Amino acid sequence: DAGVIQSPRHEVTEMGQEVTLRCKPISGHDYLFWYRQTMMRGLELLIYFNNNVPIDDSGMPEDRFSAKMPNASFSTLKIQPSEPRDSAVYFCASSLLRSARIDNEQFFGPGTRLTVL
Amino acid sequence: GDSVTQMEGPVTLSEEAFLTINCTYTATGYPSLFWYVQYPGEGLQLLLKATKADDKGSNKGFEATYRKETTSFHLEKGSVQVSDSAVYFCALTLQTGANNLFFGTGTRLTVIP
Repeated sequence: DAGVIQSPRHEVTEMGQEVTLRCKPISGHDYLFWYRQTMMRGLELLIYFNNNVPIDDSGMPEDRFSAKMPNASFSTLKIQPSEPRDSAVYFCASSLLRSARIDNEQFFGPGTRLTVL
Repeated sequence: GDSVTQMEGPVTLSEEAFLTINCTYTATGYPSLFWYVQYPGEGLQLLLKATKADDKGSNKGFEATYRKETTSFHLEKGSVQVSDSAVYFCALTLQTGANNLFFGTGTRLTVIP
């Protein structure tokens, strides 16, 4: 398996522009997570999905942020309009909830480094 | 609420030195505990885990023991290498319901030759 795939790996945009980050989870995984990592705030959970349904979006910072998971193999995180303070590395992760034991290991993608000028 | 408190970094050690990174947790139930590692320019990856009290997780020379009495899961390695330079995250998840992890703030380790 190729692991969690994220695109683009780097994104530079200007303030006010729309940004869309993409994620392909590991095939068969039923949970998908979006995280943001900054020096100041560390690793923050933004939102997570179970079987394509958003379960907890309390970490989404503002209405400018939205996330979708139209099917089991694809998710997007959109920022519209973007602001310089959104500059961060955004990670996608996926996991499989085992029925007998909860291991909860999450597999992370390589991240998208977003710079908003 | 459920949370993880990690030793503040950064930590700088000489090669072959002993490493300890402290981690304590607060949880309402019986959590599973994890250490994740992030190498430069990469995403996080699981280093080791323990799912019940007194379990010891180990991998790549790193060890951590789930101590329920002290609510701790300290990471140790007897002899660090330059290649161990990375950011280490302690994390927990509850063994009921939701599948989300609670991460600590991360500890940056730099090993110098």
